Amino acid sequence: DAGVIQSPRHEVTEMGQEVTLRCKPISGHNSLFWYRQTMMRGLELLIYFNNNVPIDDSGMPEDRFSAKMPNASFSTLKIQPSEPRDSAVYFCASSLQHLEAFFGQGTRLTVV
Amino acid sequence: GENVEQHPSTLSVQEGDSAVIKCTYSDSASNYFPWYKQELGKRPQLIIDIRSNVGEKKDQRIAVTLNKTAKHFSLHITETQPEDSAVYFCAASRDDYKLSFGAGTTVTVRA
Repeated sequence: DAGVIQSPRHEVTEMGQEVTLRCKPISGHNSLFWYRQTMMRGLELLIYFNNNVPIDDSGMPEDRFSAKMPNASFSTLKIQPSEPRDSAVYFCASSLQHLEAFFGQGTRLTVV
Repeated sequence: GENVEQHPSTLSVQEGDSAVIKCTYSDSASNYFPWYKQELGKRPQLIIDIRSNVGEKKDQRIAVTLNKTAKHFSLHITETQPEDSAVYFCAASRDDYKLSFGAGTTVTVRA
């Protein structure tokens, strides 16, 4: 297995544009997490899914952020419209039950 | 929700010395405590974890201790090497699998 796969690795976009980040979890894992990492706030949990169902989205900062998991092998995090303060590294992670969470390589988002 | 505090935020040690990072958590129902290492520009990766039914766990130069009564756990790295330089994160979760991370400790090992 290639691990958790995120795309794109880097994204530069203009303020106001829609941004979509993608994640493919490890096959067989049933929990998926979206984290945002910044110098100021560290690793913040945005949302997590269990068996494709969103369990806790209390970390989603605003209505501009939305996440979906249409099936067990794919999830998206969308920001619409994007703002400069959304610039961060976004990590997707997956795990099997209450075991180790494996992180993807991350997407470095820059909103100018 | 769970609140995890981590100290210190930065730690500089001489090669060969030990490094200790401490974390406290707020939710007494938390029962899983992993530690992640993140090298510059890389993803966080699990280095060791401990569950609430164990007080201590060791893996070569790395050990973790857990005090459930006091709600704190610590990472110990012995005989530090330059490749140990990284940011270390503690985390805690309960049965809902939701990992809450500490703010991270930047460890620098001086040669």
